[in-house]
Amino acid sequence: EVQLLESGGGLVQPGGSLRLSCTASGFTFSSSAMTWVRQAPGKGLEWVSGILGSDGGTYYADSVKGRFTISRDDSKDTLFLQMNSLGAEDTALYYCAKGAGSRSLRAEYWGQGTLVTVSS
Amino acid sequence: DIQMTQSPSSLSASVGDRVTITCRASQSISSWLAWYQQKPGKAPKGLIYQASKLESGVPSRFSGSGSGTEFTLTISSLQPDDFATYYCQQYNSYSSFGQGTKLEIK
Repeated sequence: EVQLLESGGGLVQPGGSLRLSCTASGFTFSSSAMTWVRQAPGKGLEWVSGILGSDGGTYYADSVKGRFTISRDDSKDTLFLQMNSLGAEDTALYYCAKGAGSRSLRAEYWGQGTLVTVSS
Repeated sequence: DIQMTQSPSSLSASVGDRVTITCRASQSISSWLAWYQQKPGKAPKGLIYQASKLESGVPSRFSGSGSGTEFTLTISSLQPDDFATYYCQQYNSYSSFGQGTKLEIK
C-alpha cells in the first residue's frame, strides 16, 4: 500500500523559512517522480513543484521559483520542500504526491497534507 | 506556463442527472490531462488520466474525452456520493490545475 506522510508544517513569520518532508512507503521511491501541490484555505489546488525519478530534474511554478527548492533523498525514501522568503500567499495545506511514473508529474497517490501558516 | 480554465465554476444538479464539466488549456497538451475529485477535508482522488482512461476502482459513470486544448469530464448519472469539487490537471509541460468546479445538489 502506497503511503505518503508529510511533516514540517507550522506557523512561520513573513520572510521566514520552513522545510517540509514527505516520507514514502509501499513503492520504489527512487523510480518515481514526486510532486508538491498546495491548497490555500477555501481555494483550489495549485501545483507547486515536481522532481523526476529518472534524472532528478526539478520544476517549479512561477509563483515559487527562486524561493522554493525541491529535493529528494532516495536512501531514506523522503521528499523535501525548502521554502524561503515566505509570504502570506504561501499559507496553504501542502500535499505530497507520487507521480505516475519516473517522468510523470500526474499525481497518482496523495498524502494527507501538512499545513503551513505564514503570519506575524 | 500552461493555463487551465474550467467551466462552469459551480454547478447545481440532481441525482440521476447527466453532468459535463469542461477544461480548456491555453496551448495544446495532447492527451496529458487528468481529472480529480475532492471532498471537504480530504485529499483529491484521481478519476481519469490521459484524458480518457479510468483509474482503477472508479465507477464507469465517469468518463473523459478530448485532446489538444479542450477536454470534458462527464458523469452519466449523478449519484449522492458524486457531489464534490472536480479539478483538471495538465501534465504535458510541468503541471498546472484548473480552478475547480463545485458540484452541488439542486
